[in-house]
Amino acid sequence: GAVVSQHPSWVICKSGTSVKIECRSLDFQATTMFWYRQFPKQSLMLMATSNEGSKATYEQGVEKDKFLINHASLTLSTLTVTSAHPEDSSFYICSARDFSGGTEAFFGQGTRLTVV
Amino acid sequence: KNEVEQSPQNLTAQEGEFITINCSYSVGISALHWLQQHPGGGIVSLFMLSSGKKKHGRLIATINIQEKHSSLHITASHPRDSAVYICAVSSLDMRFGAGTRLTVKP
Repeated sequence: GAVVSQHPSWVICKSGTSVKIECRSLDFQATTMFWYRQFPKQSLMLMATSNEGSKATYEQGVEKDKFLINHASLTLSTLTVTSAHPEDSSFYICSARDFSGGTEAFFGQGTRLTVV
Repeated sequence: KNEVEQSPQNLTAQEGEFITINCSYSVGISALHWLQQHPGGGIVSLFMLSSGKKKHGRLIATINIQEKHSSLHITASHPRDSAVYICAVSSLDMRFGAGTRLTVKP
């Protein structure tokens, strides 16, 4: 089946620094990727929809200047958490859909971010 | 009210028991997904349904489009089935239920 690779799987950073998370579709072209955030014992919450070659669409309440999303190619989307603060500590996960094959979604492994 | 409601929130079963997790949704969808999230956080897609019923090993998923309801069944449950099971619905994007934390005791 289709594979989505997310990197890194975990990262610890200092407050005020920026962290970049990569999401790659390995064997299909993903014109759209989705970024989610999950707090402990809570469900996944959509942060933004990333479209190749255009600006991301952010959900209400998500700061686009803090969570920078770039989707430069059909197989790569990146999420950069800028000027990270401890409250940004969370589990971030991406998914991609192979629209040529329908609406099935494939998920990355997720990235656990801890800001100290 | 959430667009996707799951029940129960938590479920503890003895090994071998038959398990059912329910999902109701209130929006139009193109497909419904059942996902499995392990303690490390990684998510595996178990099923994608748009109608009827699918079976994979000991897992069975059903959907009733008219009633906007889906169920995930696990037959002969095993401790390795312990995980969080998430129902999600997709149209242009995906919306998730809160998840059902399943613990299967030996």
